[in-house]
Amino acid sequence: DGGITQSPKYLFRKEGQNVTLSCEQNLNHDAMYWYRQDPGQGLRLIYYSQIVNDFQKGDIAEGYSVSREKKESFPLTVTSAQKNPTAFYLCASSIKSSGANVLTFGAGSRLTVL
Amino acid sequence: EDKVVQSPLSLVVHEGDTVTLNCSYEVTNFRSLLWYKQEKKAPTFLFMLTSSGIEKKSGRLSSILDKKELSSILNITATQTGDSAIYLCAVRGSGTYKYIFGTGTRLKVLA
Repeated sequence: DGGITQSPKYLFRKEGQNVTLSCEQNLNHDAMYWYRQDPGQGLRLIYYSQIVNDFQKGDIAEGYSVSREKKESFPLTVTSAQKNPTAFYLCASSIKSSGANVLTFGAGSRLTVL
Repeated sequence: EDKVVQSPLSLVVHEGDTVTLNCSYEVTNFRSLLWYKQEKKAPTFLFMLTSSGIEKKSGRLSSILDKKELSSILNITATQTGDSAIYLCAVRGSGTYKYIFGTGTRLKVLA
């Protein structure tokens, strides 16, 4: 079945450590996104990528980094520079980034900083 | 600044009730609006709306867009406990890459 796989589902990090969240899709979608979800807030865009080897910052990119070396993969690194990284992270993809396209989401990764 | 506001923030009803969830937006050159249901983890797609006045329907759920009022409603009739979830609304404008999400409406349906 086509879909988006995120791993790990749960992750604990000590302060000062970098962690990388994996996102893989087999939908043949061009565009991929990373969102952060906090209680009482809507989804906020961290980074997005329209094509391989290209990505742009979203609204809250500080303290995060991404890469897009393959169409299927869009990993997110939460660096030690991110002041409040405890959150639920959602990866999404769409056929293209423009137009009236539907976002398909992965199951999410919950990061907790100890 | 583009924004999306959903109301109410939370709602508790009993099985069999009908609920109406609201989504209001301020977006430059509106292109499309999406509704999602989020139970535990991944938001699942419900509807995409692009044209005003055309109702989208799926079982007990329906949604309609009003471009004049810059809003959309999501109706759920004969609610069931399985409808308990967070309902998210997202809006995109033309020429932009991103969907702007509202804070969501948390619906709880009691047996």
